[in-house]
Amino acid sequence: DTEVTQTPKHLVMGMTNKKSLKCEQHMGHRAMYWYKQKAKKPPELMFVYSYEKLSINESVPSRFSPECPNSSLLNLHLHALQPEDSALYLCASSQVLGETQYFGPGTRLLVL
Amino acid sequence: QKEVEQNSGPLSVPEGAIASLNCTYSDRGSQSFFWYRQYSGKSPELIMFIYSNGDKEDGRFTAQLNKASQYVSLLIRDSQPSDSATYLCAVLPLSGGGSYIPTFGRGTSLIVHP
Repeated sequence: DTEVTQTPKHLVMGMTNKKSLKCEQHMGHRAMYWYKQKAKKPPELMFVYSYEKLSINESVPSRFSPECPNSSLLNLHLHALQPEDSALYLCASSQVLGETQYFGPGTRLLVL
Repeated sequence: QKEVEQNSGPLSVPEGAIASLNCTYSDRGSQSFFWYRQYSGKSPELIMFIYSNGDKEDGRFTAQLNKASQYVSLLIRDSQPSDSATYLCAVLPLSGGGSYIPTFGRGTSLIVHP
C-alpha cells in the first residue's frame, strides 16, 4: 500500500482567512514533504520533515506554517495568503530521506 | 546548480506506437532516477524508478539509464490514449552529498491520438 491521503481536495479562501491542509500516511514513512505546483510547472519543494523534525524550509513565506504532530501526519497552516498562492499543494512521503517519494492526491487551493 | 532537462513537447504519437521520453541531468553523481505520470489537474503518480545502468521493464514501460551520457529515458510500448499525460523525470543525488531531495524536470506532455 503506497497511499498518501490529503484533505481537503479543494479549498477556497479569502486573504484574511486561516485554514489548514492535512496529509496522512500509514506506510511507516519517516520523511514527509510539502510541494507547491503551478500549472505546467514541476512541483516546487516547500518543506521537508524527517523523523518529525523540520529538515528543510525552502525560504517559504511565513504565511505558510508546517506542522508534523506525529510520524503519520503532516499539516500546513495557511494565514493571510495572496492570490498568487493559488496552486495545487502536494504532500509526499518516503521511507526516509533520499528514498522514493509517493505523492498524495493534492489540495487545489484558490485564494480570492 | 543541479539541472534536469526534458523536452516540454507535446510529443504526439499514434495509438499502438512506441512513445520515447527523454531526460538529461547535469549532476554526474546522481544515483536514483524516477518517472512520474501526471494527468491534468491530478498529482504525480510513480511509474518507475531505476538505479543501475541499462534497461528496466515493467509491463508496457521500459526505463533506460545511461550514466556515462547522463540521460534516462522512458519507453511506452503499445501507447494508449489513456497514456496521454505529462511525464516528469526526477533525479536524486548521491546520498550523503548534502541533498536528499529530487530535482524534477519540467515534464514532457505526451498525446496519444486514436
